[in-house]
Amino acid sequence: SYELTQPPSVSVSPGQTATITCSGNKLGEKFAYWYQQKPGQSPVLVIYQDTNRPSGIPERFSGSNSGDTATLTISGTQAMDEADYYCQAWDTNTYVFGPGTKVTVL
Amino acid sequence: QVQLQESGPGLVKSSETLSLTCAVSGASITSRTWAWVRQPPGKPLEWIGSIFYPGTTNYASSLGSRVTISLDTSTNHFSLNLGSVTPADTAVYYCARDLSVSGISRYFDYWGPGKLVTVSS
Repeated sequence: SYELTQPPSVSVSPGQTATITCSGNKLGEKFAYWYQQKPGQSPVLVIYQDTNRPSGIPERFSGSNSGDTATLTISGTQAMDEADYYCQAWDTNTYVFGPGTKVTVL
Repeated sequence: QVQLQESGPGLVKSSETLSLTCAVSGASITSRTWAWVRQPPGKPLEWIGSIFYPGTTNYASSLGSRVTISLDTSTNHFSLNLGSVTPADTAVYYCARDLSVSGISRYFDYWGPGKLVTVSS
């Protein structure tokens, strides 16, 4: 079965750039999606189809996907961006989620 | 604005069936695909399955034949039944809209607030 891997945690200072990676076999040949989840809340889609932001998602969130790695970048990170981030792909009629990355804004 | 709301028992005994319902407003359940996703405490998200009107389903292989998802067009609800539960099925259960684009892009764009279901041993 298809698997996605993510670093367990990323730390970033306010105003700096946070980079979260998601790796999977030939992930660049599929679409990657990213969800933000704050404690006690349901996930929120922040990037779809590799690079697109849904309405209402700040411009500081951006995405890319090439080779085996998709990347979520948060530019000018704010305290409100502290959350768990999950990548997701669709493979062989199955949804696959990554294990999640906890972003801490120090 | 699409809104979803899960409801059902918060406590289920081992070996019994977990049953949840998702009420959808702002959209007809006949027009899109709908899904259940769960998250055990402190663990990642796990897709359970999806359903498309009038009743085409797609389930996670890991859950096998224990899962049934159905639609109720009279109430604009869809439901989840998970049989033979064990404490490992304890999780927050989310219902979500499953957006399919051209068959190659699938993701969840609207989520319910989630329902914690505890399975007692």
